Amino acid sequence: ETGVTQSPTHLIKTRGQQVTLRCSSQSGHNTVSWYQQALGQGPQFIFQYYREEENGRGNFPPRFSGLQFPNYSSELNVNALELDDSALYLCASSARGNGNYGYTFGSGTRLTVV
Amino acid sequence: DQQVKQNSPSLSVQEGRISILNCDYTNSMFDYFLWYKKYPAEGPTFLISISSIKDKNEDGRFTVFLNKSAKHLSLHIVPSQPGDSAVYFCAAIDQGGKLIFGQGTELSVKP
Repeated sequence: ETGVTQSPTHLIKTRGQQVTLRCSSQSGHNTVSWYQQALGQGPQFIFQYYREEENGRGNFPPRFSGLQFPNYSSELNVNALELDDSALYLCASSARGNGNYGYTFGSGTRLTVV
Repeated sequence: DQQVKQNSPSLSVQEGRISILNCDYTNSMFDYFLWYKKYPAEGPTFLISISSIKDKNEDGRFTVFLNKSAKHLSLHIVPSQPGDSAVYFCAAIDQGGKLIFGQGTELSVKP
């Protein structure tokens, strides 16, 4: 059973640029959630994808968008990067529908915006 | 609006003693809570959970207590070991099924 993998592990972008982060969900999981963890804070929910559709969104602007693919992998896209977007971005997969709250997290992508 | 709060950013404990990590929540609709442990450069890993129909759940050295009237839960680690040194996050599941995290408490267990 493979876990959740995220790529890249680190990247540096310039303010105003766009970035795409990728996540492969754990085998058997059909739901992917994305979280932003700023320094010294807990992870904050960005959005969740189930059956390739957004299924819940946190308090993040529209320049944060995502996709889920038929194999349940997912992308997080952020446009017009701002300095405050610098954070650890975590992806978590789960198996929605079986009453199990077993979220498995990836190791995250550390994004630095300069 | 911080619905899940961990008011202690850090905790230092001697090896072999008890570690108690606290968490408060504001939303009385939360009915499932989890604790996650996070090492640097790794994602959070699930530790233990509790449903609101219980007031205690135990798994080896880890016990979680839930006081619904006080909207408070705590994680007890006995005995604490140096390998337990990490950041611990308390989280609640909201009605939409997403995790609401606290700010985290950094536990340091000294030999």
